[in-house]
Amino acid sequence: DAGVTQSPTHLIKTRGQHVTLRCSPISGHKSVSWYQQVLGQGPQFIFQYYEKEERGRGNFPDRFSARQFPNYSSELNVNALLLGDSALYLCASSFSREQFFGPGTRLTVL
Amino acid sequence: DQQVKQNSPSLSVQEGRISILNCDYTNSMFDYFLWYKKYPAEGPTFLISISSIKDKNEDGRFTVFLNKSAKHLSLHIVPSQPGDSAVYFCAASGRNAGNNRKLIWGLGTSLAVNP
Repeated sequence: DAGVTQSPTHLIKTRGQHVTLRCSPISGHKSVSWYQQVLGQGPQFIFQYYEKEERGRGNFPDRFSARQFPNYSSELNVNALLLGDSALYLCASSFSREQFFGPGTRLTVL
Repeated sequence: DQQVKQNSPSLSVQEGRISILNCDYTNSMFDYFLWYKKYPAEGPTFLISISSIKDKNEDGRFTVFLNKSAKHLSLHIVPSQPGDSAVYFCAASGRNAGNNRKLIWGLGTSLAVNP
């Protein structure tokens, strides 16, 4: 069975650019959450989507946006990239209370 | 303000012995707790969870204990194996007004199991 998949695995951008990260949940999971993890910290919650609706938003600026598609896959968009946006971006899917994570996308902003 | 705290950044244990990883939380609204294991450059892997209505959950070599009155939980790994060497994160969730269950994470404890 395929787990949570994310693309791309690595990405290098420059300040001011925008980026789109993609996530496909485990088959049957309708909820997708996005987290940002910087080195030495635990993951920080960005968004949660369920059945294509936003169910939660963390303390991130409006430059961060997301959406969920009818097939439950999801995209995370970040505009006007800053150096501080460099991090591992994790996507998690869930059916109940356990969340299962993908391998993450490593974003480097130069 | 760290709602989930893992006060030991690292732990070193001999192979075959018990590893005990600790976690404290401050928010009494948390009703579900999870432990994840993470290798560098990989996503967290779910290990074990416990609901606030229980005080113990066991899965193979992994046991999680919850002490609600002390707002403390611990993960026991017995016996520890070198392959258990990784960073272990404690996470907590509770139903909130938006009916979502975001995870609040600790900073992690790096476990080294020595052969």
